[in-house]
Amino acid sequence: GESVGLHLPTLSVQEGDNSIINCAYSNSASDYFIWYKQESGKGPQFIIDIRSNMDKRQGQRVTVLLNKTVKHLSLQIAATQPGDSAVYFCAENIGYISSGSARQLTFGSGTQLTVLP
Amino acid sequence: ETGVTQTPRHLVMGMTNKKSLKCEQHLGHNAMYWYKQSAKKPLELMFVYNFKEQTENNSVPSRFSPECPNSSHLFLHLHTLQPEDSALYLCASSQGVGSNQPQHFGDGTRLSIL
Repeated sequence: GESVGLHLPTLSVQEGDNSIINCAYSNSASDYFIWYKQESGKGPQFIIDIRSNMDKRQGQRVTVLLNKTVKHLSLQIAATQPGDSAVYFCAENIGYISSGSARQLTFGSGTQLTVLP
Repeated sequence: ETGVTQTPRHLVMGMTNKKSLKCEQHLGHNAMYWYKQSAKKPLELMFVYNFKEQTENNSVPSRFSPECPNSSHLFLHLHTLQPEDSALYLCASSQGVGSNQPQHFGDGTRLSIL
């Protein structure tokens, strides 16, 4: 069956601190994961992705960690800034929708990150 | 020019109206998608097109009718919608539907049904 990324709904951090946003998934067959950032009034913006043959991937100020044993994905944001305030959600590639068709991304409902001054 | 452009940004329509949403991608991608985003709910996939061919209709009511004239343009034709169809409609594109490539989204059309 389908799996859904689960998020805590809200997270508040002080400016300059590191943020950790977590996502749990239940489909052990998922082999590709993406983190998106969605600011108010805008569409989701790609942040970083990771394939299941990796445990960690780093970008600019962001790191994604994948723990396949416990089916857990996290996004770490270093030195959180006010511009990081947004909803963050993970998406997992759970496989083909139907034969020869698209590989479906399943999205979580997101975590609202608020950066406090 | 942003990668994926959607128009209009906001749309208010009555239940008997007919309107269309437009999406254009400037990324050279060959796959395009329509999603529905309702408040506090995850994104719901509606339609998928790959090289102009519809490869998926995710049990969407017939009052939503997609059209993909080429790999860069995608439309969503709307008619006789219901109040529960009010939502943010997002278009996305990707390099392919069979590979692990991220989907890139537009900023959406905020649709309100009166």
